[in-house]
Amino acid sequence: NAGVTQTPKFQVLKTGQSMTLQCAQDMNHEYMSWYRQDPGMGLRLIHYSVGAGITDQGEVPNGYNVSRSTTEDFPLRLLSAAPSQTSVYFCASRRSSDAGNTIYFGEGSWLTVV
Amino acid sequence: KQEVTQIPAALSVPEGENLVLNCSFTDSAIYNLQWFRQDPGKGLTSLLLIQSSQREQTSGRLNASLDKSSGRSTLYIAASQPGDSATYLCAVLTSGTYKYIFGTGTRLKVLA
Repeated sequence: NAGVTQTPKFQVLKTGQSMTLQCAQDMNHEYMSWYRQDPGMGLRLIHYSVGAGITDQGEVPNGYNVSRSTTEDFPLRLLSAAPSQTSVYFCASRRSSDAGNTIYFGEGSWLTVV
Repeated sequence: KQEVTQIPAALSVPEGENLVLNCSFTDSAIYNLQWFRQDPGKGLTSLLLIQSSQREQTSGRLNASLDKSSGRSTLYIAASQPGDSATYLCAVLTSGTYKYIFGTGTRLKVLA
């Protein structure tokens, strides 16, 4: 059981470049989300989805785009990378129908924008 | 707006000590509260989840309590070991939302 899989694990981008962080889960979870983690600021929600075809913004959505065409996949797109987007990105998923359900995280994607 | 605070930011204890990590939140209308462990360079691993109707949860040497009325949760670690060294984060799922709000974590070091 792979759980939540993120790729790539490490990436260096130049300012202005675009890229997509991939996230896939094999647990048939309805809810998926993207967080960024910065020193001293904890995890902040970027975008989330409660099912295929449904997405919504979190706390820090600017500069990022998402789509949810399937239950399994939830890619995060950086439209025009900026140094402020240097961070560690985590994808997470959970079954959304019950408050007792655990949220599962991927291993993270380390992104540096130069 | 829900805010989650964890104090202290860092903690260093000798092996064998019992210790308590604190988490406070501002909005008591929550679905659940979850405690996570994060090792350096790794993702988050769920330790315990407490639903809003529960007062505590236990797993091995870990015990988490929840007091919604005061907006507080504690994670108790019994007989700490060097392998417990990690960052511990709490997160709250507020009622009526799908969003987990995280604290900034407590970085624990257990000395052999």
